[in-house]
Amino acid sequence: DGGITQSPKYLFRKEGQNVTLSCEQNLNHDAMYWYRQDPGQGLRLIYYSQIVNDFQKGDIAEGYSVSREKKESFPLTVTSAQKNPTAFYLCASEPGTGGVGAFFGQGTRLTVV
Amino acid sequence: QKEVEQNSGPLSVPEGAIASLNCTYSDRGSQSFFWYRQYSGKSPELIMFIYSNGDKEDGRFTAQLNKASQYVSLLIRDSQPSDSATYLCAVNPGGGNKLTFGTGTQLKVEL
Repeated sequence: DGGITQSPKYLFRKEGQNVTLSCEQNLNHDAMYWYRQDPGQGLRLIYYSQIVNDFQKGDIAEGYSVSREKKESFPLTVTSAQKNPTAFYLCASEPGTGGVGAFFGQGTRLTVV
Repeated sequence: QKEVEQNSGPLSVPEGAIASLNCTYSDRGSQSFFWYRQYSGKSPELIMFIYSNGDKEDGRFTAQLNKASQYVSLLIRDSQPSDSATYLCAVNPGGGNKLTFGTGTQLKVEL
């Protein structure tokens, strides 16, 4: 089945630790995105990538890092520099033409304890 | 000015009524427009897309686009309690630019 998979679904982290969220897609999509969503809020763009080995900062990139070594994978690292990392993280992908919309994974809920 | 703007709501409609959700965008060159539905605690799901001026119907949903006014809307006919969710408008400016989301409108369909 084609789709976009995020793991884990729930993640707990101690303050001061880095953590990596996984996002894998088998839709052959060129573009991939990471968003953060806080309770009752909209989506805020962290990073996006439109091609392998290239990515751009979104609106709230500070404290986060990404890589795009393979078309299928776009992992997000939440570093200790991110002061308030507890949130719902959503990964999405869309074809390079951008004409059919983006498809989301199920999300990862990160809690700092 | 935000790139994509939506009224946050909540928009309350009685069951069976028409719900009208609105979105405006700033990039006049935008080419494709999307509506997503997001239930609480879940990820957004794509429900409609539209590229051309006018109306596009899919079941109980109708998307309307007016590029001259930079306005896109979503009508939900015969609203059901299961339609209660947040509806996100998204715009793709084209030319390799990133997809941009509005902050969403919360819809409540009341019995």
